[in-house]
Amino acid sequence: SAVISQKPSRDICQRGTSLTIQCQVDSQVTMMFWYRQQPGQSLTLIATANQGSEATYESGFVIDKFPISRPNLTFSTLTVSNMSPEDSSIYLCSVSSGRAIETQYFGPGTRLLVL
Amino acid sequence: AQSVAQPEDQVNVAEGNPLTVKCTYSVSGNPYLFWYVQYPNRGLQFLLKYITGDNLVKGSYGFEAEFNKSQTSFHLKKPSALVSDSALYFCAVRSTDSWGKLQFGAGTQVVVTP
Repeated sequence: SAVISQKPSRDICQRGTSLTIQCQVDSQVTMMFWYRQQPGQSLTLIATANQGSEATYESGFVIDKFPISRPNLTFSTLTVSNMSPEDSSIYLCSVSSGRAIETQYFGPGTRLLVL
Repeated sequence: AQSVAQPEDQVNVAEGNPLTVKCTYSVSGNPYLFWYVQYPNRGLQFLLKYITGDNLVKGSYGFEAEFNKSQTSFHLKKPSALVSDSALYFCAVRSTDSWGKLQFGAGTQVVVTP
């Protein structure tokens, strides 16, 4: 399985500011995803990060709020913009080969607290 | 559309006793089913998956799960629970016509007492 790292592991931010989360994989992967896990909740898919093109966002998530970059097959960033306390969550990066039968692996997550 | 239900918010079990975490699913095509575990302040770790073939799937840390097509269930089991199994468990489903997206259940907190 791929080894996935995320930076930062946690942060405390002030409302109105932005935070960029990095996801690095030790091998080339086809698919990269960003999830949000709000306190006490399950995982919600924010978007699929597409290499060389715009990310594909799920209903309820927009590019202005969560801009995503994916410059190559091993790296992606998620920015949480103009943060409010409601953005306090764990943000998880995950990867897969893109085939439906393949396992999706997750990074350790970034724990964000917005004051 | 695909969905997953984990009917129990929490499961309490004594160490050494059998552990079962329930999961039922709904998909439009054939299901691919997954179990993940999340320890405190950690990301999700993959436990096991069902793709096809034998209905009983064995995974990491002594866990297994049984796929039941008629009941649309994929319950996670462990014959003898350990205190270290205390964690949050997620069931997830992906259908054959859903190229990448996983649908997660709400999660079940497992508490194993000594």
